[in-house]
Amino acid sequence: DQQVKQNSPSLSVQEGRISILNCDYTNSMFDYFLWYKKYPAEGPTFLISISSIKDKNEDGRFTVFLNKSAKHLSLHIVPSQPGDSAVYFCAASDRGSTLGRLYFGRGTQLTVWP
Amino acid sequence: EAGVTQSPTHLIKTRGQQATLRCSPISGHTSVYWYQQALGLGLQFLLWYDEGEERNRGNFPPRFSGRQFPNYSSELNVNALELEDSALYLCASSLETGLFYNEQFFGPGTRLTVL
Repeated sequence: DQQVKQNSPSLSVQEGRISILNCDYTNSMFDYFLWYKKYPAEGPTFLISISSIKDKNEDGRFTVFLNKSAKHLSLHIVPSQPGDSAVYFCAASDRGSTLGRLYFGRGTQLTVWP
Repeated sequence: EAGVTQSPTHLIKTRGQQATLRCSPISGHTSVYWYQQALGLGLQFLLWYDEGEERNRGNFPPRFSGRQFPNYSSELNVNALELEDSALYLCASSLETGLFYNEQFFGPGTRLTVL
């Protein structure tokens, strides 16, 4: 049962433009969301997170938006750089009951071309 | 500060054998998590250890087991290996998980291949 879904397996964006990665979830109890970036042969690296009490969180070029009513979040990267090319995983947690576990989507491969 | 380390990097076993994977968390982190990433799939939660005890377990058969040592390092054991156990096994660590969520930091993973 995939509770976190990333429906786009890949995204290709030109350098300097905005990259928008999307994520949907089904469990209304999720109250904390994270994005991880993964390069080949490396483990996922934490990028940015957002609590369900917020609808936006910014960190430099990265902004995460949360729409609780739609059970949807997105990661915006502006401007996109070739070094951003990686697989991006969306993850969610229900801090009250899932006891430490994260639910991950299947990832979106972002390619930023010059 | 050293990150999460895992060994070995690669492991090749045959069906029916046992595999042991090891993880050392970031210094000061007491929680260790194990995830499986099979080809084309997202990370699937396996196990969570904190202060030496198993706190939560994902939907995996009992032949997946592990433990956490007094120095907070951890071991994942997979018995009676099956072909579908071939995957990347990722270990993550975090500060104690209490009322506030603490981000999980991942190691590079162990690639297990079952022939």
